[in-house]
Amino acid sequence: DAKTTQPNSMESNEEEPVHLPCNHSTISGTDYIHWYRQLPSQGPEYVIHGLTSNVNNRMASLAIAEDRKSSTLILHRATLRDAAVYYCILRPDNAGNMLTFGGGTRLMVKP
Amino acid sequence: DAGITQSPRHKVTETGTPVTLRCHQTENHRYMYWYRQDPGHGLRLIHYSYGVKDTDKGEVSDGYSVSRSKTEDFLLTLESATSSQTSVYFCAIRGGLELFFGEGSRLTVL
Repeated sequence: DAKTTQPNSMESNEEEPVHLPCNHSTISGTDYIHWYRQLPSQGPEYVIHGLTSNVNNRMASLAIAEDRKSSTLILHRATLRDAAVYYCILRPDNAGNMLTFGGGTRLMVKP
Repeated sequence: DAGITQSPRHKVTETGTPVTLRCHQTENHRYMYWYRQDPGHGLRLIHYSYGVKDTDKGEVSDGYSVSRSKTEDFLLTLESATSSQTSVYFCAIRGGLELFFGEGSRLTVL
């Protein structure tokens, strides 16, 4: 199974942009890139997903490298509420059931 | 709010006792999942269901069984709980391309 590598933790200042990287060098052509985040004492929540093109939604933007071996989740203006663990996950065919959550990146936001 | 609730939210039990965790959804989604989350391991899939009476194993299914007799309920059973099953258990439902997770059930096996 293709795996992802993320930094264990990152820090950001409130109201500044945050770029969360994810490496997935063994990604296959049919793997979709999904991002979830988990706030303290809560279950994970969906953030965004993409295949090849960059994607934007109300929560974040996803920038995918041309060779698809890496991607970056962008939070345009971090708030204290964005402090969470962010998971980058590869999902086969965008419908696979065996989603594998790695360790994720713990984002700390400083006021 | 994704309409998914887990019960109980907290449970303390003793080794060797049976435990059942319940996941209830109001969304009529076909796919339901049980994950466990432990420090150092992230979330790991235990079992999932793709319809009434249709279930399959995940990556850490040993020691667990599941049942889905109606669309809205997905039960996770530990027939004889062990201390290694102390964990936080999350249920999820699949709505389109997204998974929606419950708030978790914290189980402590003494």
